Amino acid sequence: GQQLNQSPQSMFIQEGEDVSMNCTSSSIFNTWLWYKQDPGEGPVLLIALYKAGELTSNGRLTAQFGITRKDSFLNISASIPSDVGIYFCAGDMEYGNKLVFGAGTILRVKS
Amino acid sequence: EAGVTQFPSHSVIEKGQTVTLRCDPISGHDNLYWYRRVMGKEIKFLLHFVKESKQDESGMPNNRFLAERTGGTYSTLKVQPAELEDSGVYFCASTRTLGVNTEAFFGQGTRLTVV
Repeated sequence: GQQLNQSPQSMFIQEGEDVSMNCTSSSIFNTWLWYKQDPGEGPVLLIALYKAGELTSNGRLTAQFGITRKDSFLNISASIPSDVGIYFCAGDMEYGNKLVFGAGTILRVKS
Repeated sequence: EAGVTQFPSHSVIEKGQTVTLRCDPISGHDNLYWYRRVMGKEIKFLLHFVKESKQDESGMPNNRFLAERTGGTYSTLKVQPAELEDSGVYFCASTRTLGVNTEAFFGQGTRLTVV
């Protein structure tokens, strides 16, 4: 089945540093999504990407959809303690919201 | 507007017992999805309801899992009998429609531990 390879698995960074994480796949996706999960909560959508090559920002977050539709990255600038959580990439092949997720990147921020 | 709610938030059961998870989607959302995250791995799709009908149940692991959505409102996911490998966090999500720009809203999850 489809699989998204997400890296890194975890990161422990100093507050104020920039963060970068990415996902790759052997499959082509119509939509690429980045979610964040806080402890005890469900995933919350951060950024949605719909067009190949699209670069989208949401505050300190920037994400890009790869030209081949098989990869994406998420950057967080000037990290703050509330950025702590698990970040998931997800792809949607059929606009039916049957999402394929990566394994997640655990982000820890040291104040 | 209330979000997607799931009950219980945690459940610890013994192998061989039965557990029923419940999901209340956002009011008016026809599409309801169940996902599961096992042991720190990826979140995996289980099944998709459109109203009361099962649109896609290709992700259901085996016949010990039974999902229902009678009346097209809330949904239940029953595991009977539970096995150790069923432990994980079960998420429910809902969307109003399908298509581009449709955001899936997730519940907080039910953490199931089978001992």
